[in-house]
Amino acid sequence: AQKVTQAQTEISVVEKEDVTLDCVYETRDTTYYLFWYKQPPSGELVFLIRRNSFDEQNEISGRYSWNFQKSTSSFNFTITASQVVDSAVYFCALSEAESSGDKLTFGTGTRLAVRP
Amino acid sequence: DADVTQTPRNRITKTGKRIMLECSQTKGHDRMYWYRQDPGLGLRLIYYSFDVKDINKGEISDGYSVSRQAQAKFSLSLESAIPNQTALYFCATSDHGTGTDTQYFGPGTRLTVL
Repeated sequence: AQKVTQAQTEISVVEKEDVTLDCVYETRDTTYYLFWYKQPPSGELVFLIRRNSFDEQNEISGRYSWNFQKSTSSFNFTITASQVVDSAVYFCALSEAESSGDKLTFGTGTRLAVRP
Repeated sequence: DADVTQTPRNRITKTGKRIMLECSQTKGHDRMYWYRQDPGLGLRLIYYSFDVKDINKGEISDGYSVSRQAQAKFSLSLESAIPNQTALYFCATSDHGTGTDTQYFGPGTRLTVL
């Protein structure tokens, strides 16, 4: 069965610090997709990134970067020079293309607080 | 206008009442989902629908039912609400045809059952 673990329940940093959110997943499929979503205090879920299992290239989007390593079953998310607006709950999620269609399994989320 | 809308946004009801949460989308997606979010548990899948005639139970379907009235509309019902169904409910959509299967979420409905 698929599983996503976000071991960090809460992280607090001071503005401009770099912060990495960890995500470890379990799956038996060879084809799967990994996602990160952001949930700001207003409550909506904002899609950040989708990565398929055949693409291990790291990705950078502005201050955000993602490190996908199949060898360790991890898909970590780094925010560089954090800002107060980055304060949110971040969810990592997994979908297995072969065994469960595109149903998402979410981690329990990491709450990030960025202090001024 | 938002692509995925949910009504109501907030609802307080009493134990035993029937309640319906509605989701509409203008994204033209074929697949729709209902999740609930509880503190510390992340999001869990209640029901999902791959098209109007294809509805499936998710991880936690007991106590819930759904109706896919049209491709754009997917409703979640609680036939007899109970306090442990107090949660934040999200609807999501995805487009299988494009092959990306990324799910896009509505703004959520906060439901309180007293």
